Amino acid sequence: DIVMTQSPDSLAVSLGERATINCKSSQSILYSSENKNELAWYQQKPGQPPKLLIYWAYTRESGVPDRFSGSGSGTDFTLTISNLQAEDVAVYYCQQQHRVPNTFGQGTKLEI
Amino acid sequence: EVQLVESGGGLVQPGGSLRLSCVGSGFSFNQDWLSWVRQAPGKGLEWVANINQDGSGKYYVDSVKGRFTISRDNAKNSLYLQMNSLRAEDTAIYYCARDHHGSDYWGQGSLVTVSS
Repeated sequence: DIVMTQSPDSLAVSLGERATINCKSSQSILYSSENKNELAWYQQKPGQPPKLLIYWAYTRESGVPDRFSGSGSGTDFTLTISNLQAEDVAVYYCQQQHRVPNTFGQGTKLEI
Repeated sequence: EVQLVESGGGLVQPGGSLRLSCVGSGFSFNQDWLSWVRQAPGKGLEWVANINQDGSGKYYVDSVKGRFTISRDNAKNSLYLQMNSLRAEDTAIYYCARDHHGSDYWGQGSLVTVSS
């Protein structure tokens, strides 16, 4: 199975500042025929299902503010949240959809 | 509007069975892979199983293989998860999700509690 490891487990960032969350896969998750990394980022707030933010490592889902951006390739990926807002407090997960089981990272709790 | 609505959760004794259902609307149900993802109380997300468009391809996490069965009925826009030989560690909220460049739509979840 592909193991997804996020860092840090939690972080506190001031309003208006930048938050950076890292995700490392135990093997490449590059879909070579399309040159796309099969990596998604989700945001989950208490009592709610996860919400898709980013897919293919860097493509923002429709309706997601451009403060959210994804980067990385191969085995190392990053979610960056710029100009942090109070509503961004949540737990963030990465997930690979390259191989089954489609494993998630352990989650990163973002606080203000 | 895309919607996924789960049902069928509840309290079950260890060793018992339960069948979850998920009804989809607002999209072409037979054109997408679908997944079940669970979340134990206070824990992270765990992918459980997924199924391809016509139901011919089914995949599971090792911990549920041989006990859980994913299926779908495209005529009824429905996804199912038959759960047998349930264990305490299967206690979780179970979400169904549409797989379309990431899991882009999720249900609100159905709580399964395995306890005597």
